[in-house]
Amino acid sequence: AQSVAQPEDQVNVAEGNPLTVKCTYSVSGNPYLFWYVQYPNRGLQFLLKYITGDNLVKGSYGFEAEFNKSQTSFHLKKPSALVSDSALYFCAVRDVDFNKFYFGSGTKLNVKP
Amino acid sequence: DAMVIQNPRYQVTQFGKPVTLSCSQTLNHNVMYWYQQKSSQAPKLLFHYYDKDFNNEADTPDNFQSRRPNTSFCFLDIRSPGLGDAAMYLCATSRIAGPAHEQYFGPGTRLTVT
Repeated sequence: AQSVAQPEDQVNVAEGNPLTVKCTYSVSGNPYLFWYVQYPNRGLQFLLKYITGDNLVKGSYGFEAEFNKSQTSFHLKKPSALVSDSALYFCAVRDVDFNKFYFGSGTKLNVKP
Repeated sequence: DAMVIQNPRYQVTQFGKPVTLSCSQTLNHNVMYWYQQKSSQAPKLLFHYYDKDFNNEADTPDNFQSRRPNTSFCFLDIRSPGLGDAAMYLCATSRIAGPAHEQYFGPGTRLTVT
């Protein structure tokens, strides 16, 4: 079965500092991994995905993620956080056989001025 | 712009009074999903359609039904809403051609049950 885990409920970072939001995965077969962001009272917005190829994936709004097969991780990163990055972040894995996506529990990112 | 639209954005219903939430898409995607999300938790998949094929999650209550009359539209019917059904309901779409395709989400409908 496919699953992802987000070990941190909340991450606090000062504006201008680098940020990391952690995600680990457990899959059978090739991992198809995604990051989404959700602002209050909004739907989820796609940030980036890893399908194959380079381990460093670049996405929207300056975010990137590093795929690490040996550590089964797919951490979301940004070199310099903005207050406007404060939101709820979800990691997800796609189960291709069943057309389903499995979401992590979410990490609330707080960026303080 | 191609997108996923949900109406209404906010819905208030009475305990036990049937309610229907709607979703439409201009992306021409094969798969449409309905999720329930409570209090900043992970979205919980209720069911999804692969074209006209309906796929129900095992733990989705019978109180929840869905209809997909055509590719563009999908409805979520809650036959007898309880207080525990108050949540954000998210509609999403995806292509099925290969694993590379992400989901596109609508803005959600926040359901309040009084």
